[in-house]
Amino acid sequence: AQSVTQLDSQVPVFEEAPVELRCNYSSSVSVYLFWYVQYPNQGLQLLLKYLSGSTLVKGINGFEAEFNKSQTSFHLRKPSVHISDTAEYFCAVSPQTGANNLFFGTGTRLTVIP
Amino acid sequence: NAGVMQNPRHLVRRRGQEARLRCSPMKGHSHVYWYRQLPEEGLKFMVYLQKENIIDESGMPKERFSAEFPKEGPSILRIQQVVRGDSAAYFCASSPDQTQFFGPGTRLTVL
Repeated sequence: AQSVTQLDSQVPVFEEAPVELRCNYSSSVSVYLFWYVQYPNQGLQLLLKYLSGSTLVKGINGFEAEFNKSQTSFHLRKPSVHISDTAEYFCAVSPQTGANNLFFGTGTRLTVIP
Repeated sequence: NAGVMQNPRHLVRRRGQEARLRCSPMKGHSHVYWYRQLPEEGLKFMVYLQKENIIDESGMPKERFSAEFPKEGPSILRIQQVVRGDSAAYFCASSPDQTQFFGPGTRLTVL
């Protein structure tokens, strides 16, 4: 079975400051890892994904994440946030074999303060 | 290439009525997933379908809920005899491989 923990339910940060959103996972099998962003009353948009290869992955809107297998983490970072980054961010995993359904964390609400 | 389409975007039903949610996957995608998002929570997997087949329905309640993905037409998530606890956002995703692309969701409100 898989589970995802997002330790911070809310993260306030000032505009142009750096941010890190934490994600840890638990799985008995190898997984793919994803970060999605959800703006109010909208669907989920893929930010970035780790399938294989380099553990540092870059996504859209200046976000990046690093896969750390030993710590079972996939933290999301941005060096300088913008007001438009205010949204809900979800970390998710899917098993590499079988049905690739996603297991989501409970989300982190990022609020960028002007 | 149009994205994943869902309709209706908002649906209001009274207790005991039926709700039908539709999902048209992206062109070329043969895998469809349904998820439910309760208020202030993450998404929970419900069912995974390929054309004319249910592959994994382990996340779907055993009663009142059903899903299909016919050879022609959209995927349908059907909820019979809705109750207030069914009020949620229902998201559909489609994929060609390991990556899922989500639709805008259907927000179901049960009065």
